[in-house]
Amino acid sequence: NAGVTQTPKFQVLKTGQSMTLQCAQDMNHEYMSWYRQDPGMGLRLIHYSVGAGITDQGEVPNGYNVSRSTTEDFPLRLLSAAPSQTSVYFCASSPMTGRTEAFFGQGTRLTVV
Amino acid sequence: AQKVTQAQTEISVVEKEDVTLDCVYETRDTTYYLFWYKQPPSGELVFLIRRNSFDEQNEISGRYSWNFQKSTSSFNFTITASQVVDSAVYFCALRGHSSSNTGKLIFGQGTTLQVKP
Repeated sequence: NAGVTQTPKFQVLKTGQSMTLQCAQDMNHEYMSWYRQDPGMGLRLIHYSVGAGITDQGEVPNGYNVSRSTTEDFPLRLLSAAPSQTSVYFCASSPMTGRTEAFFGQGTRLTVV
Repeated sequence: AQKVTQAQTEISVVEKEDVTLDCVYETRDTTYYLFWYKQPPSGELVFLIRRNSFDEQNEISGRYSWNFQKSTSSFNFTITASQVVDSAVYFCALRGHSSSNTGKLIFGQGTTLQVKP
């Protein structure tokens, strides 16, 4: 059982480049989310989705786009990378019942130079 | 808006000491869920405990215990007889149950716990 799979694990981008962080889950979870983790800031919610075709902004959405065409996949797109987007990114999924914990991917360490 | 505050940025203890990690939350939802996660130096997020807003029964599990108090909006986590392997960043998180908060899991800033031998 793979759980939540994020790719890549590490990435270095130049300012202005675009890229997509991939996230896939095989647990048939309705909820999926993207977080960024910065020192002293905890995990901050970027975008989230409550089901296929439905996405919404979190606390820090600027500079990021998402889509949810299937239940399994929730990619995060950086259209024009900036040094401020250097961070560790986590994808999470959970079932619709709010009482259940979220399952996290292993994280992607992104550096924008 | 929902908010989670972990006022303790870093805590350092000597092995075998007890340590309590504080968590204060804000939500207008009447039904909500609280969680604690651990992030060891390897970086993955490990789920520890969850509590429903309608279940104020506190619990002890081995060296871990949790104190949930709705009256003070707190969900504190205690490690008894700490060990070096407990060294990690600990996160408190909140998920509301209203239509506007469904699907949103909000985290605190995290508390870094260092247990010295």
